[in-house]
Amino acid sequence: KQEVTQIPAALSVPEGENLVLNCSFTDSAIYNLQWFRQDPGKGLTSLLLIQSSQREQTSGRLNASLDKSSGRSTLYIAASQPGDSATYLCAVEESDYKLSFGAGTTVTVRA
Amino acid sequence: NAGVTQTPKFQVLKTGQSMTLQCAQDMNHNSMYWYRQDPGMGLRLIYYSASEGTTDKGEVPNGYNVSRLNKREFSLRLESAAPSQTSVYFCASSVYYRDVANTGELFFGEGSRLTVL
Repeated sequence: KQEVTQIPAALSVPEGENLVLNCSFTDSAIYNLQWFRQDPGKGLTSLLLIQSSQREQTSGRLNASLDKSSGRSTLYIAASQPGDSATYLCAVEESDYKLSFGAGTTVTVRA
Repeated sequence: NAGVTQTPKFQVLKTGQSMTLQCAQDMNHNSMYWYRQDPGMGLRLIYYSASEGTTDKGEVPNGYNVSRLNKREFSLRLESAAPSQTSVYFCASSVYYRDVANTGELFFGEGSRLTVL
């Protein structure tokens, strides 16, 4: 059974610092990996989707890398802002329509 | 553009009562999903509908039923609610084709917070 782990569970950084969020998974036979953002009391918003054949995806200040062989993905957020405070979740698709989610990393960016 | 809309946003039930959570999407997506989110456990798939007219079980289907009413709407029914079903329920949709790159991105509703006493 696929296990998705996100460590640390919580992270607090000063504004302007770069954020590095980690996601690991146990079974490398995945189709894709997605990163999501969740604000308190809200739904999830998709940030980036990386296909299994890709190594990274970029969107603005966000960059996500994927290393299937080692079962790892990293989400980088450059020059963090207080508005980046949220919970970030990763999810891997291991078979059609079925994603396994990590429990998330809650980020606080201090002004 | 409303995206994915869920109703109700909050509900309190007594053990044994039934209820239906409604979900509608206006993005012409073919696939729809119901997840539950519990503290420290991430999201778990309850049921999904790959396309209009089909539904399949996910990881935690027991105690739930679903209906894909049409391409836009996908409902989740609790026939006899139990305290273990206290959770936040999310509906999601996607354009998904296995052999087409960059499909499968999920769009979520705001969630329905259910408490079963």
